[in-house]
Amino acid sequence: AQSVTQLDSHVSVSEGTPVLLRCNYSSSYSPSLFWYVQHPNKGLQLLLKYTSAATLVKGINGFEAEFKKSETSFHLTKPSAHMSDAAEYFCVVSLRRGGSQGNLIFGKGTKLSVKP
Amino acid sequence: KAGVTQTPRYLIKTRGQQVTLSCSPISGHRSVSWYQQTPGQGLQFLFEYFSETQRNKGNFPGRFSGRQFSNSRSEMNVSTLELGDSALYLCASSLAGQVYDTQYFGPGTRLTVL
Repeated sequence: AQSVTQLDSHVSVSEGTPVLLRCNYSSSYSPSLFWYVQHPNKGLQLLLKYTSAATLVKGINGFEAEFKKSETSFHLTKPSAHMSDAAEYFCVVSLRRGGSQGNLIFGKGTKLSVKP
Repeated sequence: KAGVTQTPRYLIKTRGQQVTLSCSPISGHRSVSWYQQTPGQGLQFLFEYFSETQRNKGNFPGRFSGRQFSNSRSEMNVSTLELGDSALYLCASSLAGQVYDTQYFGPGTRLTVL
């Protein structure tokens, strides 16, 4: 069965330092993977998505993620954190290749805190 | 281009009542998905509508239902409310609802059941 695990429920970094949010997935094939961000009292916004093209995916606001099939990981990184990055981040995996969005599974989320 | 709007933003109901939530997608988007977000269960898929037809349904009881109108606006209804239905309900729209399409989320409706 397909599943997604976000390894940290909370990550705290200082402004200007790197960000690493970890995500592991379980899938019987090469899945589609996404990262979404949710700011307080807001809806979710797509940061980036992997759909079997380049394994290093660049997203908005300086974020990127690398698909590593051997490690079944899709970790989200950013070289330098900004205060505005403080939010909750969700890793998402598709239930099957292609198909509709009803096949998406969301991770439990990682809250990112950024200290001045 | 206006984003996804959801009304109302906040709602307080009592057990046993029913509630209807509304979602207006981005103009031109034909797919609307609904999600329930709670601290314990996280984000769970409720259902997806495309061209007025329910195309996918998550693992929720029949008390949860929805519909989509010809202008792609969607409503979801929860009957016989239970305390456990307290949650943030999010709707998302996309062009065609395919897994590769970018979903645009609304701000959500915060439902509290007393």
